Amino acid sequence: DAKTTQPPSMDCAEGRAANLPCNHSTISGNEYVYWYRQIHSQGPQYIIHGLKNNETNEMASLIITEDRKSSTLILPHATLRDTAVYYCIVRVGGNQGGKLIFGQGTELSVKP
Amino acid sequence: GAVVSQHPSWVICKSGTSVKIECRSLDFQATTMFWYRQFPKQSLMLMATSNEGSKATYEQGVEKDKFLINHASLTLSTLTVTSAHPEDSSFYICSAPAWDYSNNEQFFGPGTRLTVL
Repeated sequence: DAKTTQPPSMDCAEGRAANLPCNHSTISGNEYVYWYRQIHSQGPQYIIHGLKNNETNEMASLIITEDRKSSTLILPHATLRDTAVYYCIVRVGGNQGGKLIFGQGTELSVKP
Repeated sequence: GAVVSQHPSWVICKSGTSVKIECRSLDFQATTMFWYRQFPKQSLMLMATSNEGSKATYEQGVEKDKFLINHASLTLSTLTVTSAHPEDSSFYICSAPAWDYSNNEQFFGPGTRLTVL
């Protein structure tokens, strides 16, 4: 699976959009971009994933560049409860992909 | 979404004893489950892949005789830390893929915090 690079930490004001970048320049054609987050002392939570089109769900939006070498997770209106470590993971999708390999992630702090 | 539970949520044991951690998929069947370990301020590290009805697959550097994995049914995998020592103190997390849930591939348990005295 391709390696990802994320900034170690970011701050965001409550109510503003949080934009979390991820670089995955070695991504293969059949690899998806997944985002998970982990709130302190809890198990990770799935957020969103995509292949090449932008995706949106009730939690977030995922913007993938046309060359697929980078992506951005957008939390449109961050709240204090969004404070967590966010992990960007690249892997083959569906039941072909299997295990998730976590990098260091981005620690997002949402401040009042 | 699908629910994965772990038991116990925390455990304290003496050095040299063995500890069993359970991971259950509550509303779906999981032929595969994954076990992770997380030390403070660090990311999750994959330890092993648990396969129902067959032997677990361990990641490089993980001692299979130290961390015994049994996947006896489609909803239960157990991790036993044998002869635990203080350096085994960590946060242990399991996950299970739920292929029937579109867009939500893997669900994680809440974790088990192990402290070895």
